[in-house]
Order: sequence, then C-alpha cells, then structure tokens
Amino acid sequence: AQKVTQAQTEISVVEKEDVTLDCVYETRDTTYYLFWYKQPPSGELVFLIRRNSFDEQNEISGRYSWNFQKSTSSFNFTITASQVVDSAVYFCALSELYGNNRLAFGKGNQVVVIP
Amino acid sequence: GAVVSQHPSRVICKSGTSVKIECRSLDFQATTMFWYRQFPKQSLMLMATSNEGSKATYEQGVEKDKFLINHASLTLSTLTVTSAHPEDSSFYICSARPRGASMNTEAFFGQGTRLTVV
Repeated sequence: AQKVTQAQTEISVVEKEDVTLDCVYETRDTTYYLFWYKQPPSGELVFLIRRNSFDEQNEISGRYSWNFQKSTSSFNFTITASQVVDSAVYFCALSELYGNNRLAFGKGNQVVVIP
Repeated sequence: GAVVSQHPSRVICKSGTSVKIECRSLDFQATTMFWYRQFPKQSLMLMATSNEGSKATYEQGVEKDKFLINHASLTLSTLTVTSAHPEDSSFYICSARPRGASMNTEAFFGQGTRLTVV
C-alpha cells in the first residue's frame, strides 16, 4: 500500500505565484516524521523541512511554509513568490518509528516555474 | 552540514559487465546507509539497507545476488550491479544518517549515479 500519496504530478506556475503541494500519508505508528525534499534537474536530493507527529504547529521558513494536519493525515507544502530556481521535483517522505529509519517517498511533484 | 559523496556520478557500461558505485559519508560515521533506485519521472524506491559489518537487508523483489552491497566501514558502502543489463539502467542514489542520530534527523543523500547499460 502506498504510504505517501502526492496526487498532483506536474504543476506549472508563473513566477511570483504561490504553489502548494499536497501530501497525504498513511501510518499506524503514533510516532513518525514527515519530510519534504527537493530534487533539482541535477539529481541530488535537498532536504527542505521536517515535522514530527507530535508537533502540528505550522511554520514559515523563508519562502517555504507547511501545513501539517494529523486529522486528515496531510502535510502540505507551500512555496510563496515562486522563482525559476524553484523548478524541480518535490518529494514528500515518511519515516516511521518502527521503520528502521527508512524513508518512504511519494511519487513527487514536478514544479515548473515559468518566467 | 553533513555530506554524503557518491561516485561515479555517471557511468556507461556494456551489457554483462559489473559496475561498482561508492557512497561515502565525509564528515560523519554511518552505521546504516540506504540505497535507492529511481526510474525516469518516478519516485525513489528503496532497494536495500546497508548495515556496517553485517549483511544488507534487501527489500522485497530486489535480487541480492544482482545488487551486491558491502558496508565495510562506518563511512563507506558500495553497491555493485553485477552482470548489468539494459533494464538495470537507472538513477541510483544512496543516503545516510549520522551514527546515533534520531529519527528526527534528516537523511543526507549522495549526488546520485546515472547508470546506462548499453
């Protein structure tokens, strides 16, 4: 069963627009961690943000913000005032307490920022 | 921040040959490293968990004799694709967490290796 679902495959936005990426996860653990990673065309994975299951406080970090809601098992990620350099694939990932530190990735969202 | 170096970044090999990919943690020790495979426009699929000083743990459906993993030190894990075939062409990427790190610690990823088997 898919543990992490990212429904949107490709999203195109015009520069300076905001873009929100949806992530829905599934787990039976009460302790787990959620992450967002960015994969630019070069291929490496860049860590963006993380949140543990006990902290639903939503935060803003620069142009990034996230909305974690346990009630709906969602961990959405927003880029405000998008820039061309934000063009990349974004992955949501889940790490479970009894998962031996393994990360389960969603299918990714291809974000294209049009200048 | 912690750095994971993966080498080579690109490799082209002939069908039937073997290819070794290295994953090094440069400034931390890692008792566990992870190997992922990514097909074009697809997600990362965990292949195996590499454990220092012991056998790797393979995910279901991954051939252990095909993808040999060696984790001989706390800073190096290697993935050898044996008798490679065109269907093994893919992007392989490793990750590691610092030794003793909690689950809350993000995994650090290598730059990835683009393998093309011709």
